[in-house]
Amino acid sequence: EDKVVQSPLSLVVHEGDTVTLNCSYEVTNFRSLLWYKQEKKAPTFLFMLTSSGIEKKSGRLSSILDKKELSSILNITATQTGDSAIYLCALGSGNTGKLIFGQGTTLQVKP
Amino acid sequence: IAGITQAPTSQILAAGRRMTLRCTQDMRHNAMYWYRQDLGLGLRLIHYSNTAGTTGKGEVPDGYSVSRANTDDFPLTLASAVPSQTSVYFCASRDMPGLHNEQFFGPGTRLTVL
Repeated sequence: EDKVVQSPLSLVVHEGDTVTLNCSYEVTNFRSLLWYKQEKKAPTFLFMLTSSGIEKKSGRLSSILDKKELSSILNITATQTGDSAIYLCALGSGNTGKLIFGQGTTLQVKP
Repeated sequence: IAGITQAPTSQILAAGRRMTLRCTQDMRHNAMYWYRQDLGLGLRLIHYSNTAGTTGKGEVPDGYSVSRANTDDFPLTLASAVPSQTSVYFCASRDMPGLHNEQFFGPGTRLTVL
């Protein structure tokens, strides 16, 4: 059964800190791994990693896929209070287009 | 462009009542999805539709039904609500073809079943 596990489940840091969020997965037919940020309402898309694109970067956020270790990390450097959110990792497998989500990591950035 | 809209924003419902959560997208995406989000469990797929006229079951379909009469609308119905269906419900859509495309989410409906 395909599965996604995120760690830690919650994290509290101070502004300026660097954080690393982890996502590990079990999958029979890997297609993609996606990261989303969820503030008050709808999750918003951050990155998608595939076999042909294992590293993505946007500003202070970056993500790497390790297909050998079946995991991905999301790094946030120089954190700001606006980075406070739930970060969701999702796995795309097989040919259905469906996503399997992890439990999420709740990040709180204190001033 | 509105993207995906959901209605109602929130609802308190008595157990045993029937309820339909509405979802409409204006992006002409073929695929649509319904998730529920519960604390500590992340987002779990209830039902999905890859194109108008077809639907499929997700991870937690029991107690829910969907229909996809056209491309834009994907309503979720609870035939007889139970307290365990208290949750936040998100509708999402995805452009096809291409299995690697991201899903776009609506603002959610917070449902409380008493």
